[in-house]
Amino acid sequence: DADVTQTPRNRITKTGKRIMLECSQTKGHDRMYWYRQDPGLGLRLIYYSFDVKDINKGEISDGYSVSRQAQAKFSLSLESAIPNQTALYFCATSDSRADTQYFGPGTRLTVL
Amino acid sequence: DAKTTQPPSMDCAEGRAANLPCNHSTISGNEYVYWYRQIHSQGPQYIIHGLKNNETNEMASLIITEDRKSSTLILPHATLRDTAVYYCIVDYEIGTSYGKLTFGQGTILTVHP
Repeated sequence: DADVTQTPRNRITKTGKRIMLECSQTKGHDRMYWYRQDPGLGLRLIYYSFDVKDINKGEISDGYSVSRQAQAKFSLSLESAIPNQTALYFCATSDSRADTQYFGPGTRLTVL
Repeated sequence: DAKTTQPPSMDCAEGRAANLPCNHSTISGNEYVYWYRQIHSQGPQYIIHGLKNNETNEMASLIITEDRKSSTLILPHATLRDTAVYYCIVDYEIGTSYGKLTFGQGTILTVHP
């Protein structure tokens, strides 16, 4: 969905490096999410935010941090990347009054 | 813990209806059934959701059994572009709770010419 954008789309980095993945949305939604997907598996929730001042850990938050800079922007950081963080990362948004999540195109991250 | 059980894969001929089953025997009274799909590493796409009544939209129909322990997603006229992984998810109404979606492994639907 073009209303949810992620940058970069692909990134290769080395172990120990700090990495930031960015997500922006033009849908005006108040809720934003970060998921990761490993090959052959479903998505797992890393962090979610219901508004600018609300940040919550998901099921696999260790090794990650987030920042909700504005309603439209939600960034995911890997403080010290490790190889098992190699995955496909998705950002999603939803409106608190609605029932669907809209996903970005994903960021493919490889940690060597 | 998975709340849903889906077959790992299914095939369908182009132009025919694709019927994707999902078991959710432990669903509670205020949990909804959601269906999403993911086309080859793209972001998941919402398809449809329901509580207990059958639902239909421009993409698909959702049939939920009377005891709500299972459901079927129906793509009435499958096309090659419907080849994807289909996820059945049980969760509270997103607008009123966490809003997080617990994705299982889904069903790989392959539509053949």
